[in-house]
Amino acid sequence: KNEVEQSPQNLTAQEGEFITINCSYSVGISALHWLQQHPGGGIVSLFMLSSGKKKHGRLIATINIQEKHSSLHITASHPRDSAVYICAVRSYGGSQGNLIFGKGTKLSVKP
Amino acid sequence: DAGITQSPRHKVTETGTPVTLRCHQTENHRYMYWYRQDPGHGLRLIHYSYGVKDTDKGEVSDGYSVSRSKTEDFLLTLESATSSQTSVYFCASSLAGVRASYNEQFFGPGTRLTVL
Repeated sequence: KNEVEQSPQNLTAQEGEFITINCSYSVGISALHWLQQHPGGGIVSLFMLSSGKKKHGRLIATINIQEKHSSLHITASHPRDSAVYICAVRSYGGSQGNLIFGKGTKLSVKP
Repeated sequence: DAGITQSPRHKVTETGTPVTLRCHQTENHRYMYWYRQDPGHGLRLIHYSYGVKDTDKGEVSDGYSVSRSKTEDFLLTLESATSSQTSVYFCASSLAGVRASYNEQFFGPGTRLTVL
């Protein structure tokens, strides 16, 4: 079983829709990251969370440590949001280099 | 955005040949990482560095070596490339390690390596 599971694997939405991407993990963590990989391949960090909620523009990330679950929400989705969204966790006791990554959720927003 | 570049961006090589990929960052970040990305897998850590000449293995380090002689450069070497090493390789850097309270990683554009 993968330590970090994302759902759905693929998601198609119409422009303007509210989108939710989920991340569940099986290890104890001290932080969780959300990243975005553009169609051209570039990867950027969106959020790092250890509790509660963070908001940046139309993106909202939440985490429930007790339930080992995080969600990434996109409000008023736009075709430029089309990308792969990746969840990664920092586990307790891991080395300074070790994030565990999910396989990603591919989002396509149609105009 | 951190200035982090990778070279080459694309490479095709033959089985058994040595290959070196270069990562260069201009942010004076202490930590640097090499990942590979393959279909059906998340990003997987190959090696990372926590300072000049200080490196450690990641989860998929077999067949790879690294060197860091300067803060800004982190080299990944495939001593004898195999077809299983066909992948997209990403370099990243961060000011602090993953245990720090804030450790955003900045990624390079990736190198697509094909081993025939």
